[in-house]
Amino acid sequence: SQQGEEDPQALSIQEGENATMNCSYKTSINNLQWYRQNSGRGLVHLILIRSNEREKHSGSLRVTLDTSKKSSSLLITASRAADTASYFCASPNDYKLSFGAGTTVTVRA
Amino acid sequence: DVKVTQSSRYLVKRTGEKVFLECVQDMDHENMFWYRQDPGLGLRLIYFSYDVKMKEKGDIPEGYSVSREKKERFSLILESASTNQTSMYLCASSPPHKFTGELFFGEGSRLTVL
Repeated sequence: SQQGEEDPQALSIQEGENATMNCSYKTSINNLQWYRQNSGRGLVHLILIRSNEREKHSGSLRVTLDTSKKSSSLLITASRAADTASYFCASPNDYKLSFGAGTTVTVRA
Repeated sequence: DVKVTQSSRYLVKRTGEKVFLECVQDMDHENMFWYRQDPGLGLRLIYFSYDVKMKEKGDIPEGYSVSREKKERFSLILESASTNQTSMYLCASSPPHKFTGELFFGEGSRLTVL
């Protein structure tokens, strides 16, 4: 069962612009994570935010978490062509990690 | 760095064939997982294992089985492949201590069943 749902499904931006994508989830969580997937490759873990955190940064990435709205956002600042990928949010439940369908980001040169 | 290796990047099989997808991790992780990924559906968990010879069904186990005879190896088996099993299959592993959910993924195996 899907726990997280990303929005929008797809996003196209110019290099240097910021990209924001959102994730909504259904049940309470103890953490939420974001992953990136380059075309035809496996997923790579980007960042984990715990339920008692509101914001977290990693390089050009900024993640926020609003547990009252059951939502999270991922912001990519000053995007580059290398940021072209699909981005997924996910949350663990016991030993399982549930993913949404992802947001596909295209960064145009 | 953790390395999760999937034996085949691309496979083409015929309906009814038995298919083995192999996954090996080199970081002594207890937990291993098999997901399939389809456009618009995201990743769906097929099976997972938290110890040798242990296995648990995920969300879509029908038509699949798994084997974990050694800690580093987790195999996904399609006993009789069908066209609706054409998909990208992703293996992942994670360490055993309090499960944070951070998974390390292999590069994926794209299976086409004709």
